[in-house]
Amino acid sequence: DTGVSQDPRHKITKRGQNVTFRCDPISEHNRLYWYRQTLGQGPEFLTYFQNEAQLEKSRLLSDRFSAERPKGSFSTLEIQRTEQGDSAMYLCASSPPTAGTGSYEQYFGPGTRLTVT
Amino acid sequence: EDKVVQSPLSLVVHEGDTVTLNCSYEVTNFRSLLWYKQEKKAPTFLFMLTSSGIEKKSGRLSSILDKKELSSILNITATQTGDSAIYLCAVRSDYKLSFGAGTTVTVRA
Repeated sequence: DTGVSQDPRHKITKRGQNVTFRCDPISEHNRLYWYRQTLGQGPEFLTYFQNEAQLEKSRLLSDRFSAERPKGSFSTLEIQRTEQGDSAMYLCASSPPTAGTGSYEQYFGPGTRLTVT
Repeated sequence: EDKVVQSPLSLVVHEGDTVTLNCSYEVTNFRSLLWYKQEKKAPTFLFMLTSSGIEKKSGRLSSILDKKELSSILNITATQTGDSAIYLCAVRSDYKLSFGAGTTVTVRA
């Protein structure tokens, strides 16, 4: 399967702990996105990478959240000092390179479900 | 702030029925509108629409965009129980997608 993969699929942690999630995009996709989805809502945009550059960050991404994509391939999302409100599904998506800002679909991974107790 | 509103929030139909889902949007820099299907896992891509009035079809599903009315509809004909899912509408402005809350479709046998 050459789709977007995420690891782990589930994570239970205690409040105050740090967690890190990994996303491997579809190969040759240079654009990578992180979203967060809570029950009954659509995904909310967190951040966007084009190659290794982080080009956009949502106001939802507090200073406890940090994302990296050091070599322009896989990405990590770290949450420090987790709070119960961080409990959600964290989705990663990728899309292929296009000329300019042309239209392109985003393909989602299976997500990491985080539960903060 | 970009806004995407879907209606209805949920509906229950019987196998064989036709359903129409609505999506309206307000975004500052519209690039495209996308429909996804979500079944207790990650959203699966269905359609991407960029031009008004051009219908996209895939089997029993079809969708069309109206840029004048800032809206789109997704039709599912001859519904099957496997169509039960949350259908998400998203609008792309610049790079990110802004999603609606989704429409939950339940198809009863």
